[in-house]
Amino acid sequence: RKEVEQDPGPFNVPEGATVAFNCTYSNSASQSFFWYRQDCRKEPKLLMSVYSSGNEDGRFTAQLNRASQYISLLIRDSKLSDSATYLCVVESNTGKLIFGQGTTLQVKP
Amino acid sequence: NAGVTQTPKFRILKIGQSMTLQCTQDMNHNYMYWYRQDPGMGLKLIYYSVGAGITDKGEVPNGYNVSRSTTEDFPLRLELAAPSQTSVYFCASSPPGGELFFGEGSRLTVL
Repeated sequence: RKEVEQDPGPFNVPEGATVAFNCTYSNSASQSFFWYRQDCRKEPKLLMSVYSSGNEDGRFTAQLNRASQYISLLIRDSKLSDSATYLCVVESNTGKLIFGQGTTLQVKP
Repeated sequence: NAGVTQTPKFRILKIGQSMTLQCTQDMNHNYMYWYRQDPGMGLKLIYYSVGAGITDKGEVPNGYNVSRSTTEDFPLRLELAAPSQTSVYFCASSPPGGELFFGEGSRLTVL
């Protein structure tokens, strides 16, 4: 089993839709979790950290489910500019940061 | 306000050649990483370092070497380039448990 797994998609949604991505991880001792956004051929940029209690930043909500070992990202009211690849990142207890394959989102007019 | 600087941005190598990808950060981060990203795929960890003098293998270390003689620098060495090493390479740094800061990437083609 891969350390971090994501559905690669692509997810094709209309503007204004709500879309959710999940990311599963195998190491129950993982400490920190993040969502990164990557635009085509660019470096990834931090979208948000994922806290145990869940956290929200505008249209974006991230949640952590330790019991089932997954994190999620919810995007409400999708915009064309949200089209990108979303990468989940899990920090192992040795400090390594492991990326998922990424989930591609295409928001259509 | 440089952040993480990688050089070169683009390079074409012949099979069997060697080269070093340079990475420097000016944020005094202890942790540094090298990732590679193949087309349509996620980032795979090659090597990482938790501080000067300490390096460790990631998921895909074969064919690469690293060193960390200073906090700022974390060069990645390819000894005998192979076509399978054609990829985009990203260097990153972070404080422990914190946000990753990436360089702009180095696009390497091995022919």
